[in-house]
Amino acid sequence: GAVVSQHPSRVICKSGTSVKIECRSLDFQATTMFWYRQFPKQSLMLMATSNEGSKATYEQGVEKDKFLINHASLTLSTLTVTSAHPEDSSFYICSADPTGGSGYTFGSGTRLTVV
Amino acid sequence: QQQVKQSPQSLIVQKGGISIINCAYENTAFDYFPWYQQFPGKGPALLIAIRPDVSEKKEGRFTISFNKSAKQFSLHIMDSQPGDSATYFCAASNQGGKLIFGQGTELSVKP
Repeated sequence: GAVVSQHPSRVICKSGTSVKIECRSLDFQATTMFWYRQFPKQSLMLMATSNEGSKATYEQGVEKDKFLINHASLTLSTLTVTSAHPEDSSFYICSADPTGGSGYTFGSGTRLTVV
Repeated sequence: QQQVKQSPQSLIVQKGGISIINCAYENTAFDYFPWYQQFPGKGPALLIAIRPDVSEKKEGRFTISFNKSAKQFSLHIMDSQPGDSATYFCAASNQGGKLIFGQGTELSVKP
C-alpha cells in the first residue's frame, strides 16, 4: 500500500530557532501534499496545501512566513517552522493522495516541542 | 458550511459490544467520506470510506452507514475489542480537495 514517511518523529528545539520537517511519498508521486497541525485532544487542522513546483496554499490564519513549505519534487515536501516559539509546540502531520481522488495517506507525524 | 460535526466526543463500550459514532455535514458538494483511526502519537490511518452513491459499506467489523438526505453518516464497529480503543475521526472532501475533519471521538473498549 501507499506509504508516506515523515521525519523526524520527534524534535526538541530552542525558542527562536528553526526546524525542518520532511514528508516523503515512498512508492508514489504526489503533486499535492497537505500539512496539518494537531493539538492534544483536538482534531487535525489543515495548515496548508503543498503543490509541487509552485507556491503552497495556506489556510486562513496560518502565517506564511512562519511556516515555510517547499515541494521541490514529486516525492518530497518540507515544512520549516521558523523562529519557533513554545506556542508552536504541536503534532505536525502530512498527507498525500496516491490515487488522485481523496484517498489520503497520512505520515506518522512529528512531535515538535519548543523550549 | 465547511464543518463536519462529530459525536459523541467520548465513548465507552464493553468488549463485544457495538460502537457507534455519528457525523453530520452541511456541504452537499462533499463526495468522499472517510473514517480514520488514530492511536496516541501516531498519524491517522484510513479505516473505511464511502461515496454518496451507496448507503452502506462494510469491511470486516467496520460499517459505514450513509444517509444522503439527512446529510449524516456513521461508523459502526461490531464486536468491539480493547485493541479498537483509539480516537476516531470522520472527514469529508469534495472532488479530491482538502479533507475537513470532525472533532474526533475517543473510544475506550473495556475488557
